Amino acid sequence: EAQVTQNPRYLITVTGKKLTVTCSQNMNHEYMSWYRQDPGLGLRQIYYSMNVEVTDKGDVPEGYKVSRKEKRNFPLILESPSPNQTSLYFCASSSSGEGIQPQHFGDGTRLSIL
Amino acid sequence: GQQVMQIPQYQHVQEGEDFTTYCNSSTTLSNIQWYKQRPGGHPVFLIQLVKSGEVKKQKRLTFQFGEAKKNSSLHITATQTTDVGTYFCAGKNSNYQLIWGAGTKLIIKP
Repeated sequence: EAQVTQNPRYLITVTGKKLTVTCSQNMNHEYMSWYRQDPGLGLRQIYYSMNVEVTDKGDVPEGYKVSRKEKRNFPLILESPSPNQTSLYFCASSSSGEGIQPQHFGDGTRLSIL
Repeated sequence: GQQVMQIPQYQHVQEGEDFTTYCNSSTTLSNIQWYKQRPGGHPVFLIQLVKSGEVKKQKRLTFQFGEAKKNSSLHITATQTTDVGTYFCAGKNSNYQLIWGAGTKLIIKP
């Protein structure tokens, strides 16, 4: 089954404790992206990747890191989480960043930073 | 920065009434996509529009892309309880970024 898998689904942690949210897709997609969703603000892009070893900042990259060492994986790293990063996070992938390709989303990761 | 404004933020309708959400961009878009997010779920792709003035239909849903490729709308005829959720537009800019609207939440009154 074609899917985007995020882990963990839920995480409560404390300020300053490094964490990683993993994202994996099994569709051989080139383009992957991370979003955060906050009430009233819709989806805001954090980082995206057009292909392996190619990453770019989205609208709200501060406080986040990503890497794309393999095509299928695109982890999101919070080196020193802060309470303002409490949010619902979605990973998404599409076959290409160019052209007109729909994005497939993971089920989301709800992060609470205390 | 580039923005896509989506209105209204919420719309309450009686079942059977129509629903419309609008998106407006500050700049020309290469295409626009529409997604639906059910409560507690993730966004799911509905459709994409590419051509100026394009109109597409999916059963009770009608999608339009403006002549200037700066605005778009989604209209649902005779809403049903299964239509409940938040509808997002997302426009692609020249840098291959999808710029998202804030979403319109469709609420069906009991």
